[in-house]
Amino acid sequence: ETGVTQSPTHLIKTRGQQVTLRCSSQSGHNTVSWYQQALGQGPQFIFQYYREEENGRGNFPPRFSGLQFPNYSSELNVNALELDDSALYLCASRTDLTNYGYTFGSGTRLTVV
Amino acid sequence: QQPVQSPQAVILREGEDAVINCSSSKALYSVHWYRQKHGEAPVFLMILLKGGEQKGHEKISASFNEKKQQSSLYLTASQLSYSGTYFCGTPGSGNTGKLIFGQGTTLQVKP
Repeated sequence: ETGVTQSPTHLIKTRGQQVTLRCSSQSGHNTVSWYQQALGQGPQFIFQYYREEENGRGNFPPRFSGLQFPNYSSELNVNALELDDSALYLCASRTDLTNYGYTFGSGTRLTVV
Repeated sequence: QQPVQSPQAVILREGEDAVINCSSSKALYSVHWYRQKHGEAPVFLMILLKGGEQKGHEKISASFNEKKQQSSLYLTASQLSYSGTYFCGTPGSGNTGKLIFGQGTTLQVKP
């Protein structure tokens, strides 16, 4: 197992810009979810991909979008960045079996100024 | 629909016990527990399933009361390594595997 790796670890962007965050999941993990974690809060579900298709979405606007690729990598794109988008973005992957836990990456700390 | 965790924070001495509770306003069929250390990824601890089956890989126990819609995590003889923030996660609507996390319980174990 190689775990879940995310890049970059830290990022500073200006309001209105666009950003792409990347995640490399464990081999065999067909499900990947993205979460936003504000300081002192629990992770908030953004969306989930299964076998390269979005199959669940949280309460986030359409400017949050994603992709999942056949090589177990995925990305989160955020357009028209707002100051409130500043947070830790976590990627989590899992096997097809829904009764197993997620493996999280260490996250990307995004700061919007 | 966010589960509610209690207490918000706990400070223990090594060797002491702690219980962290997670309550939901809706019916549950599973509860996940994760621990997150400062600046690190959340780490899966345990999943409790309706019917009593549990899957985990650490020596931490938990209970799941379906009727009361709550789960409790039991940390016995705590070690310094147990320090961190504990989150429970409950399934969202639909069968997507989406998790709704509680606000977290911060545990600090002192020597």
